[in-house]
Amino acid sequence: GAVVSQHPSRVICKSGTSVKIECRSLDFQATTMFWYRQFPKQSLMLMATSNEGSKATYEQGVEKDKFLINHASLTLSTLTVTSAHPEDSSFYICSARRGPRSYEQYFGPGTRLTVT
Amino acid sequence: EDKVVQSPLSLVVHEGDTVTLNCSYEVTNFRSLLWYKQEKKAPTFLFMLTSSGIEKKSGRLSSILDKKELSSILNITATQTGDSAIYLCAVEALVYSGGGADGLTFGKGTHLIIQP
Repeated sequence: GAVVSQHPSRVICKSGTSVKIECRSLDFQATTMFWYRQFPKQSLMLMATSNEGSKATYEQGVEKDKFLINHASLTLSTLTVTSAHPEDSSFYICSARRGPRSYEQYFGPGTRLTVT
Repeated sequence: EDKVVQSPLSLVVHEGDTVTLNCSYEVTNFRSLLWYKQEKKAPTFLFMLTSSGIEKKSGRLSSILDKKELSSILNITATQTGDSAIYLCAVEALVYSGGGADGLTFGKGTHLIIQP
């Protein structure tokens, strides 16, 4: 099956610093990747859609300047949390769409971000 | 704004019982409804439903969509402890070119616990 990796799996950083999370599709090319955020005991919340070669499309309420998304190649999208604060602590999951249909999304294992 | 509501939020049953999980939705330009199982980390795909009244089945799991009622149910028969997980319902909407993120809208999930 399709494999999506995320790096790092867990990161702890100090308030005010920036953190970059990578999402890679390992065995297929993904023109579209998605970034989700999940709070404890809550569901996934779509943050943005990342399209290769163009600007990401953000969901309402998600700050573009705070959550920088770059989809530089067909197998890599990055999410940078800039000037992180404790309220940014969360579980960030990416997914990559293999085909033209959203159901063909393959999720990465997630990145646990803790901001102290 | 698209909305997905799942019920119950939490359910505890004994091994061998049958459970029914509910999902209702309000979405503009509905395309499909998807069920995912989330254990420790990323969700895994279970079913995609597009047509009303047609049951999808996989082993002890089955699901059906009712477009008239804007809802879906996920049934699990002869439950096992390994079925313990969060079951997520998500809706995919048709997005026309011109902008707009087209990721999935997730419900809050049903936390299912199967006791031995």
